[in-house]
Amino acid sequence: AQSVAQPEDQVNVAEGNPLTVKCTYSVSGNPYLFWYVQYPNRGLQFLLKYITGDNLVKGSYGFEAEFNKSQTSFHLKKPSALVSDSALYFCAVLNEKLTFGTGTRLTIIP
Amino acid sequence: EAQVTQNPRYLITVTGKKLTVTCSQNMNHEYMSWYRQDPGLGLRQIYYSMNVEVTDKGDVPEGYKVSRKEKRNFPLILESPSPNQTSLYFCASSLSRGQGSNQPQHFGDGTRLSIL
Repeated sequence: AQSVAQPEDQVNVAEGNPLTVKCTYSVSGNPYLFWYVQYPNRGLQFLLKYITGDNLVKGSYGFEAEFNKSQTSFHLKKPSALVSDSALYFCAVLNEKLTFGTGTRLTIIP
Repeated sequence: EAQVTQNPRYLITVTGKKLTVTCSQNMNHEYMSWYRQDPGLGLRQIYYSMNVEVTDKGDVPEGYKVSRKEKRNFPLILESPSPNQTSLYFCASSLSRGQGSNQPQHFGDGTRLSIL
């Protein structure tokens, strides 16, 4: 069985500081990994994905994620947070099917 | 504009009264799926469809039905809704037909259902 964990329900970061949203996964074989963002009253929007190759993946809105196979992690990062980054973030792992984490609410404090 | 459209966006109804949530996509996607989102549980898949007339159960299919008569539409049917189906529902579509496809999914804006 595959699973994905987002250990933090809530992350608060001051505007302009770097941010990290954590994700770890458990899956047999080589996974595909995704990050999605959900703004209030909207559906999930695709941010980035890791399929193969370079462990650092760049995505939309200045976000990037680092794939670490030995730690089975896929943390989402941004060098300088914006207030507009405040949203709910979901990590997802794809093997035989797509499984979502429980989400992390990111709040950027002005 | 490429989009997935769900209707209604909000619905309050009573136990046992049949309802349908419509989903339509204009991207000619083969794969469509329904999820429910509950606090602390993330998104859980209800049903999916890999093409017209091809549907299959996801992780939480009990109490739901779907149909895929046309490529663009994938309605979710609650024949006899119960309070435990109160949730936020999302329809999604993607280009490739497989559950194992790495194509990103495009989501609708959600339907908030309250079953009293």
